[in-house]
Amino acid sequence: KAGVTQTPRYLIKTRGQQVTLSCSPISGHRSVSWYQQTPGQGLQFLFEYFSETQRNKGNFPGRFSGRQFSNSRSEMNVSTLELGDSALYLCASSLAGTGKITDTQYFGPGTRLTVL
Amino acid sequence: AQSVTQLGSHVSVSEGALVLLRCNYSSSVPPYLFWYVQYPNQGLQLLLKYTTGATLVKGINGFEAEFKKSETSFHLTKPSAHMSDAAEYFCAVSGRSSASKIIFGSGTRLSIRP
Repeated sequence: KAGVTQTPRYLIKTRGQQVTLSCSPISGHRSVSWYQQTPGQGLQFLFEYFSETQRNKGNFPGRFSGRQFSNSRSEMNVSTLELGDSALYLCASSLAGTGKITDTQYFGPGTRLTVL
Repeated sequence: AQSVTQLGSHVSVSEGALVLLRCNYSSSVPPYLFWYVQYPNQGLQLLLKYTTGATLVKGINGFEAEFKKSETSFHLTKPSAHMSDAAEYFCAVSGRSSASKIIFGSGTRLSIRP
């Protein structure tokens, strides 16, 4: 069974631009979560989608948004990029049949975003 | 609200030695606790998790952790370190409701000396 895939793996943007990152979960997984990882702030939860609905959200500004499609693939969008948005963005999927947070999450390799 | 503290941003042990990575949590309710490992240029992989029941949790790759409520700790151990264990390790905590978010520690980088 293929793992979680994220595209692109690397991205360079300039301040003020917007970016869209994509995540394809493991087949059959219905929950997709997004995380931001930076040296300064560590790993921070962005949001979680389950069956096309945002079920949970972290403490990030509205510039960060996401969506999930009917095939469970998810996209994350960041508008008006700032230098501080440079980070590794990780996507994780889980079966989440019961919606329990303890469902094991499987992480993708991440997208490395650099904002110049 | 939950929080988690990992003691030591970098731990170095000799191959074959005991690995001990420390994690203390703060939670007003009984938490769920997790340990993840991240290898260079890769995402995170779940090592083990504590949800309920037995306080000694065994995970993959020979790792285990013990939930100690009285000490609010969830330290990760492995009896004998291998070179392949070199990675970044993250402790995480969450509440038990479906609205709970996972809070990660700042990570501990484990180095293995030959």
